[in-house]
Amino acid sequence: DAKTTQPTSMDCAEGRAANLPCNHSTISGNEYVYWYRQIHSQGPQYIIHGLKNNETNEMASLIITEDRKSSTLILPHATLRDTAVYYCIDMEYGNKLVFGAGTILRVKS
Amino acid sequence: DVKVTQSSRYLVKRTGEKVFLECVQDMDHENMFWYRQDPGLGLRLIYFSYDVKMKEKGDIPEGYSVSREKKERFSLILESASTNQTSMYLCASTTTEEAFFGQGTRLTVV
Repeated sequence: DAKTTQPTSMDCAEGRAANLPCNHSTISGNEYVYWYRQIHSQGPQYIIHGLKNNETNEMASLIITEDRKSSTLILPHATLRDTAVYYCIDMEYGNKLVFGAGTILRVKS
Repeated sequence: DVKVTQSSRYLVKRTGEKVFLECVQDMDHENMFWYRQDPGLGLRLIYFSYDVKMKEKGDIPEGYSVSREKKERFSLILESASTNQTSMYLCASTTTEEAFFGQGTRLTVV
C-alpha cells in the first residue's frame, strides 16, 4: 500500500508556480522521496527525487522538510501541458515502486 | 534513451483465453514491474522481478503469473482471461534511481 498522502486535486493558473504538497509520515532513513507524473493515456514519467536536500532539475524543484515528513514539488511556471496526475512516493533504492492515488493538477489559462 | 516497449497498444481477447503481455527493455535493468491501472484505483502492482527467473508478488497477483527467462524481457500471463481483467497494463523497468515506463497495453476481455 502507498505510504504517502496527497490532496486529491489542485488548480493552477498558467504561468504561475504550481506547488504540490505530499506527506511522508512513515518515511524511513533509507527511503528517497520520488515524484512522478502521468499525463493522460501515457505511462508515468519520472520528475525528480531527493533524500534530504532540496533538489532542482530542468523540470521542477523539490523541497523536503528537515524532518523529511513532508515535501513539495514546485513547477515554477506551469503550462497547460503540465496538467497531469502527480505522484509522490517513498522508496528505497532498488525496491518496488508503489503508487498512491496522486494529485490531479489542472493548469488553466 | 532508455526504451521500454510493450508488445501491443490495444488488445481484445475472449473470456477464457490465455493472454501474454510482453515487455522488453534495452538498458540491462535488473528490476522490472507490471502494473494495472483502472479509473479511481490508480496504478496497482501485480508482479515484479529483481533478476532473471526471480519474481515477487505485488498487491494484486491473483489471476496472473509472470515469466522472466531473459533479463530484458518480462512477460505477464493471464492464464484464463476474465472480464474483470479488462484494464490498462503498464510495464516498468528501473535503475537504482529512476523508473521508465512503457506506453501501456489496453486489454479488453469480452
